[in-house]
Amino acid sequence: DVKVTQSSRYLVKRTGEKVFLECVQDMDHENMFWYRQDPGLGLRLIYFSYDVKMKEKGDIPEGYSVSREKKERFSLILESASTNQTSMYLCASTPWGETGNEQFFGPGTRLTVL
Amino acid sequence: GQNIDQPTEMTATEGAIVQINCTYQTSGFNGLFWYQQHAGEAPTFLSYNVLDGLEEKGRFSSFLSRSKGYSYLLLKELQMKDSASYLCAVRKAAGNKLTFGGGTRVLVKP
Repeated sequence: DVKVTQSSRYLVKRTGEKVFLECVQDMDHENMFWYRQDPGLGLRLIYFSYDVKMKEKGDIPEGYSVSREKKERFSLILESASTNQTSMYLCASTPWGETGNEQFFGPGTRLTVL
Repeated sequence: GQNIDQPTEMTATEGAIVQINCTYQTSGFNGLFWYQQHAGEAPTFLSYNVLDGLEEKGRFSSFLSRSKGYSYLLLKELQMKDSASYLCAVRKAAGNKLTFGGGTRVLVKP
């Protein structure tokens, strides 16, 4: 059974804190993604990675960075959390290829920044 | 850039049929996906279309017209458990990156 796990379901942090969100997949997928989901805006891509140590900016990378030191793990980092980063964060993975490869999503981390 | 539009909310009766439309304007196209997301849960894959026409999968069908930039998801014989948000997503020509619409929340009433 395919599995994408995220380190926390709920997280509360203070403005200015450095925040780490971890995502692990056990499917040996090359591609991993970080999204945020906000009401009315849908899922928006923050960063993605095609391989270990590789990363590319998505549509809204400002205020975020990522790290992919191992194939199975993709971390999202909020260098200095702000209240407008309060959101649901979803991680996803998919194997390499141009065919109809679906993205498998983790359960999400609901982050509140006070 | 990419623009993907779908209705915000729809209500239907148990046992009925509901059609969720999705229109898109993209620079490059390499497939359209539909996902289902129950409240508080992760999105799960429903269907994929890359060629024009209808793909049927049990009670769910998805249609694509590339020339019109249009897709729909058809849910038949609605059940209460179908109450969820339905997300339309487009993949550009290169890579596996997806762009999502805002999602359509479907409420099924008895």
